[in-house]
Amino acid sequence: GAVVSQHPSRVICKSGTSVKIECRSLDFQATTMFWYRQFPKKSLMLMATSNEGSKATYEQGVEKDKFLINHASLTLSTLTVTSAHPEDSSFYICSADRAPQSYNEQFFGPGTRLTVL
Amino acid sequence: LAKTTQPISMDSYEGQEVNITCSHNNIATNDYITWYQQFPSQGPRFIIQGYKTKVTNEVASLFIPADRKSSTLSLPRVSLSDTAVYYCLEAPTGANNLFFGTGTRLTVIP
Repeated sequence: GAVVSQHPSRVICKSGTSVKIECRSLDFQATTMFWYRQFPKKSLMLMATSNEGSKATYEQGVEKDKFLINHASLTLSTLTVTSAHPEDSSFYICSADRAPQSYNEQFFGPGTRLTVL
Repeated sequence: LAKTTQPISMDSYEGQEVNITCSHNNIATNDYITWYQQFPSQGPRFIIQGYKTKVTNEVASLFIPADRKSSTLSLPRVSLSDTAVYYCLEAPTGANNLFFGTGTRLTVIP
């Protein structure tokens, strides 16, 4: 149990276009979902936290107008990279937690590799 | 910002026990210590969590001394498939925000 999927697994797009990444909790309802970004050989960086039906909370330095997060249901969150540029190329990973939470265990998706040409 | 310190990389031969130590110099009283594993091009996976002393599960053991200023993840008899990056984190139980540090890149050699 506790499987999180992401779609697509990899995407290549032209500079200036927008890309949507979906994150789904397949067998549980996620109280909160998280979006991370990871550059090659680097650690994960938390971008934002989202709760179903409310606005996402963005970490300092993350542009909310560029990285649009929608959390429409307890099993789906989407990240849209708007007007993508080559520097947005990265590995984007989502995670989800579920209540009740007795461990700091987030369930991570397999990631989406974005390449902006 | 990450609050932990751990070695950047480690090498080990197959079949050996591997111990990865993390420093928690400013750990808060209500923080738990959690370890995650990440394979290349995959999301991290929860390994183990503890508060004090020793915790063991089917994958690893976690040793935390009384002062909680450090923690040691112990992987018994590693195999090639244990090659991954291992992250230690501090957070209160049920914390929403997990901040990953640099991680330790473990390479298991045949």
